[in-house]
Amino acid sequence: DQQVKQNSPSLSVQEGRISILNCDYTNSMFDYFLWYKKYPAEGPTFLISISSIKDKNEDGRFTVFLNKSAKHLSLHIVPSQPGDSAVYFCAASAGATGANNLFFGTGTRLTVIP
Amino acid sequence: ETGVTQTPRHLVMGMTNKKSLKCEQHLGHNAMYWYKQSAKKPLELMFVYSLEERVENNSVPSRFSPECPNSSHLFLHLHTLQPEDSALYLCASSQRAQGTYEQYFGPGTRLTVT
Repeated sequence: DQQVKQNSPSLSVQEGRISILNCDYTNSMFDYFLWYKKYPAEGPTFLISISSIKDKNEDGRFTVFLNKSAKHLSLHIVPSQPGDSAVYFCAASAGATGANNLFFGTGTRLTVIP
Repeated sequence: ETGVTQTPRHLVMGMTNKKSLKCEQHLGHNAMYWYKQSAKKPLELMFVYSLEERVENNSVPSRFSPECPNSSHLFLHLHTLQPEDSALYLCASSQRAQGTYEQYFGPGTRLTVT
């Protein structure tokens, strides 16, 4: 059973607009969440993360929001740029259990149209 | 070399062949991971090594055999694979400690089993 879900396989956004990528999870033990970005022929690269004690974390154009009651997180990219076109993976970890293993979603392919 | 490197980048092998995938990390991390990424599926964790000891084996068939000779190197030995094993195999490393979750990925090996 998939514990981290990204229900939108793809998203297209105009350059300069906001991109919102969504992620849902089912395991209430997850206490740390990460977003990774993947270009073709490269491995995923870490983008931004958030601990469950926060509801928002911002880094430049990237902001992650966490809604624990809804078991939902989202990544906002403002303004979107063509170089942001990539596959974005959401990941979660239950660190408090002592294991730092990551559980990944299936990814959302973002296309930013110039 | 920096980060996490993987060789070969592409591999085509027959079902009766034996081959090995190699991963090397230059980040001073103490944990290494093998993941499998198949089309339209989330990254599947295969093996985890922490301080050169295997700490996790997620029900991976015995035709995949990992080896971690030291904290910087990780191998995945392959033998008598099936066509459904064709996938992108990703290596990652991290500093496995309380409160740290980010994993750093290599570019992957694209494996095709014929």
